[in-house]
Amino acid sequence: KAGVTQTPRYLIKTRGQQVTLSCSPISGHRSVSWYQQTPGQGLQFLFEYFSETQRNKGNFPGRFSGRQFSNSRSEMNVSTLELGDSALYLCASSARRIGVMNTEAFFGQGTRLTVV
Amino acid sequence: AQTVTQSQPEMSVQEAETVTLSCTYDTSESDYYLFWYKQPPSRQMILVIRQEAYKQQNATENRFSVNFQKAAKSFSLKISDSQLGDAAMYFCAYKNFGNEKLTFGTGTRLTIIP
Repeated sequence: KAGVTQTPRYLIKTRGQQVTLSCSPISGHRSVSWYQQTPGQGLQFLFEYFSETQRNKGNFPGRFSGRQFSNSRSEMNVSTLELGDSALYLCASSARRIGVMNTEAFFGQGTRLTVV
Repeated sequence: AQTVTQSQPEMSVQEAETVTLSCTYDTSESDYYLFWYKQPPSRQMILVIRQEAYKQQNATENRFSVNFQKAAKSFSLKISDSQLGDAAMYFCAYKNFGNEKLTFGTGTRLTIIP
């Protein structure tokens, strides 16, 4: 079974630009969560999508948005990039479903975003 | 809001020895899950072990075991017979019952000395 796939692996963008990151979950997983990892703030939850709906959101500005498609693939978008957005963005998928409460999160290898 | 604290930024251990990583958390919930994740240089987060709060028995996975003290809100990870491949950042994480959001600690960098 293929794991969680994130593309691209590395990205360099200029301040003010926007960027879109992609995450393909493990086959059959319908929940996708996004995390930002920086040396200063550590690992922070961005949002979770399940069945194409945002179910939970972290404390990030509106420049950070996401969506999920019918095949459970998810994209994360950051508009008007700032230097502080430089980070490793991790995606995790899980087999979240009604009646199952403890689901393991499987992580992708992340997208390293550098804003210059 | 829940918080997770790892007070040891770095730890080192001799190969084949035992090491314990500490984690404390704060929550007002009674049903939740706790995890230890490992992040090697490849940056991919790998689940090491998990503990359901309603279970009194401490979880064990091969060389990895936890000491879960619910009243003290403590969740430490013991690695026995340390191997070179155990070198990584270790993160303690918390998840509420019925919620996919993980709250992570700041991590402990573990170095294995040959």
